[in-house]
Amino acid sequence: EDKVVQSPLSLVVHEGDTVTLNCSYEVTNFRSLLWYKQEKKAPTFLFMLTSSGIEKKSGRLSSILDKKELFSILNITATQTGDSAIYLCAVEPGNTPLVFGKGTRLSVIA
Amino acid sequence: GAGVSQSPSNKVTEKGKDVELRCDPISGHTALYWYRQSLGQGLEFLIYFQGNSAPDKSGLPSDRFSAERTGGSVSTLTIQRTQQEDSAVYLCASSLAARQSGELFFGEGSRLTVL
Repeated sequence: EDKVVQSPLSLVVHEGDTVTLNCSYEVTNFRSLLWYKQEKKAPTFLFMLTSSGIEKKSGRLSSILDKKELFSILNITATQTGDSAIYLCAVEPGNTPLVFGKGTRLSVIA
Repeated sequence: GAGVSQSPSNKVTEKGKDVELRCDPISGHTALYWYRQSLGQGLEFLIYFQGNSAPDKSGLPSDRFSAERTGGSVSTLTIQRTQQEDSAVYLCASSLAARQSGELFFGEGSRLTVL
């Protein structure tokens, strides 16, 4: 059965801290791994990763994939209160819909 | 529309009643998905529509759940004889591709509370 496991499940940091969120997976016919940010209701797309070792970067957020060890990390530097959200990792296996992890709830306090 | 639109945004119902949740995807998107998110849980896949193909219903948790997509656009998720464990946020998403190729665009969700 396809599986995506995220850690930690929740995290509280102070503004300015750097955080690393983890996502490991077991899927058949891996196609891509995606990160989403869910602040209130609708998850919004952050990154899609398909190749190992190539970092994707957007402002203070970056992500990398390791297809040999079957995991990805999402880094957020110089965190701000606006980064508080649930971060969802999802994997696309073959021709089936995305499989999501349970998410990491990040709280950034001033 | 500009984004995926879902209605109602909130629904409170009594156990045993039927409910219908509606999703209007982004215009031109051929693929439409329903996911369910329970408190503290990730997104659980329910059903997937792609064009005129038969839907992938493999995620529906019981025969009380059904969905249809009329005219390749609007979709309705129906839950019959609701149970308390059906309480969750039901998220709809759409994407451009004939095969899933990455990004899904999500609606704001319908929060269902079964008393």
